[in-house]
Amino acid sequence: EIVLTQSPATLSLSPGERATLSCRASQSVSTYLGWYQQKPGQAPRLLIYDASNRATGIPARFSGTGSGTDFTLTISSLEPEDFAVYYCQQRSSWPFTFGPGTKVDIK
Amino acid sequence: QVQLVESGGGLVKPGGSLRLSCAASGFTFSDYYMGWIRRAPGEGLEWVSYISRRSDTIYYADSVKGRFTISRDNAKNSLYLQMNSLGAEDMAVYFCVRGWGGYDYVDYWGQGTLVTVSS
Repeated sequence: EIVLTQSPATLSLSPGERATLSCRASQSVSTYLGWYQQKPGQAPRLLIYDASNRATGIPARFSGTGSGTDFTLTISSLEPEDFAVYYCQQRSSWPFTFGPGTKVDIK
Repeated sequence: QVQLVESGGGLVKPGGSLRLSCAASGFTFSDYYMGWIRRAPGEGLEWVSYISRRSDTIYYADSVKGRFTISRDNAKNSLYLQMNSLGAEDMAVYFCVRGWGGYDYVDYWGQGTLVTVSS
């Protein structure tokens, strides 16, 4: 099973700042990695698929990079609605797995 | 709009069985892979099982293989999870999910149904 590790666990930032979230896989997942955003009381929403592609309707301030074992989700300038928990998920091999999440909260 | 509504959760004794159902609406059910994801208390998201459009490809997490059976009825727009030999480790909120297009990500989630295993 591919284990995903996310860092940091919590990121405290102010609106307008840049957020950089990391996801590391225990073995290569090529570019088969996605990112989700989850707000309290809501289901996760797919932001990025296959490492760098924004899902439909996702603002351009969200971008993803990486391949192999190291991936990054960047939010270029945090909006108030971006404070949430972010998960990565790999689809390279079954069982598909999720990372434990990074919480982005307001500093 | 897309809706996934789970039912069938509840309290069951160790070793017991439950059958979860998911009623899908707002899309052509037979066009999508479907699955079950669970979150145990204090734990992360675990992908339990996944089924292809015509049920010809099925995956199970090792933790449930041999005990859980996923199935679907495209005529009824419904997804099921038969859970047998339940243990404390199966206690979780179970989410019905839709696989996104030709990619194995999730684009829609149900609200979840709680499975409690206790004597």
